[in-house]
Amino acid sequence: EIVMTQSPATLSVSPGERATLSCRASQSVNSNLAWYQQKPGQAPRLLIYDASTRATGIPARFSGSGSGTEFTLTITSLQSEDFAVYYCQYYNSWPPWTFGQGTKVEI
Amino acid sequence: QVQLVESGGGVVQPGKSLRLSCVVSGFTFSTYDMHWVRQAPGKGPEWVAVTSYDGRSKYYADSVKGRFTISRDNSKNTLYLQMNSLRTEDTGVYYCAREVEDYVWGFMDVWGQGTTVNVSS
Repeated sequence: EIVMTQSPATLSVSPGERATLSCRASQSVNSNLAWYQQKPGQAPRLLIYDASTRATGIPARFSGSGSGTEFTLTITSLQSEDFAVYYCQYYNSWPPWTFGQGTKVEI
Repeated sequence: QVQLVESGGGVVQPGKSLRLSCVVSGFTFSTYDMHWVRQAPGKGPEWVAVTSYDGRSKYYADSVKGRFTISRDNSKNTLYLQMNSLRTEDTGVYYCAREVEDYVWGFMDVWGQGTTVNVSS
């Protein structure tokens, strides 16, 4: 079973600054990686899929990179609405749909 | 617009049963694979089960296999999760989610708002 490890657990950032979140897979997942954003009391929202493709309606300040076992989600110029928990998830191989434990981006 | 609305959650004693429903609108339900994903308090999401678009293929997480059953009624645009022999560790918010088209075991592109299940004596 592939294990997804996210770091850091919490990231403290000021509005307007850049945030860099990491996700590591215990074995290669190629580019089969998605990123989700979750705010308190809400469902996860798809941000990025195929490691670097923004989902429909996602602002350009969100970008994803990486392949194999190392992935990064970058948020440039953080806005107030970006403070949330971010999860990575791999897919496309069995057992699939495993999520990381999350990174909380806080002010 | 695309909507997924879950219902059926509540407080239930260990060992009892509960059935969750997810009514969808705004897309052709019968052409999409659908998932249930849960989230325990303060934890990350955990995939629970998936059904193919026609209901013929179903897969489960090891933690629920043999206790939970996923099903769908395409004529009613509704996804179900029958949960039997509930345990305290099944407590959490249960989301239905749509799997993206044109992928094999792809990611979830649309999620419902969730329904809360609390297994407690």
